[in-house]
Amino acid sequence: GENVEQHPSTLSVQEGDSAVIKCTYSDSASNYFPWYKQELGKGPQLIIDIRSNVGEKKDQRIAVTLNKTAKHFSLHITETQPEDSAVYFCAVQGADGLTFGKGTHLIIQP
Amino acid sequence: DAGITQSPRHKVTETGTPVTLRCHQTENHRYMYWYRQDPGHGLRLIHYSYGVKDTDKGEVSDGYSVSRSKTEDFLLTLESATSSQTSVYFCAISSGSRSGGELFFGEGSRLTVL
Repeated sequence: GENVEQHPSTLSVQEGDSAVIKCTYSDSASNYFPWYKQELGKGPQLIIDIRSNVGEKKDQRIAVTLNKTAKHFSLHITETQPEDSAVYFCAVQGADGLTFGKGTHLIIQP
Repeated sequence: DAGITQSPRHKVTETGTPVTLRCHQTENHRYMYWYRQDPGHGLRLIHYSYGVKDTDKGEVSDGYSVSRSKTEDFLLTLESATSSQTSVYFCAISSGSRSGGELFFGEGSRLTVL
């Protein structure tokens, strides 16, 4: 099955700085790569996704980049704010649904 | 918010007892999923359904069974709960195909097996 590696497991940044989370995957046939944000005590929510026919997608302060040749994709958050503190999961679409990375706990330091 | 309700939200049970978790949706979405979330493991797929009476196994299906007799309800059953099944269980729904689409998650059900 699909193998998804996510790094780092914890990321602490100063408010206003940028944060980058990276994921690699194993199945070169995968073509859908979403990112989910999970706040404490809640279920994950989709924040951005990308399909394999594009290399980058932006939505205000968040962006995702995809390198299909290298089989990795990254989440970029600029001008981080306190409300960005959460756990972020990358995921990869496989034949039987999404396979998730293990998550990154993003901490925004005031 | 997507109309997904999980019940119960919290349950404490003893080893060897049966447990059923219920997921109810009001969105008429075709696909429904059960995931478990554990520290250090992220979200792992247990079972999923692509229609009434159509279900399939996920990555960590051992010890779990599911049923979907109506579009809106997806039940997860632990026939004989073990301590290793202590976890937070999330139901998710999707209208998309297997080629990818947004998952909408419920609020989770925290199960403790003593």
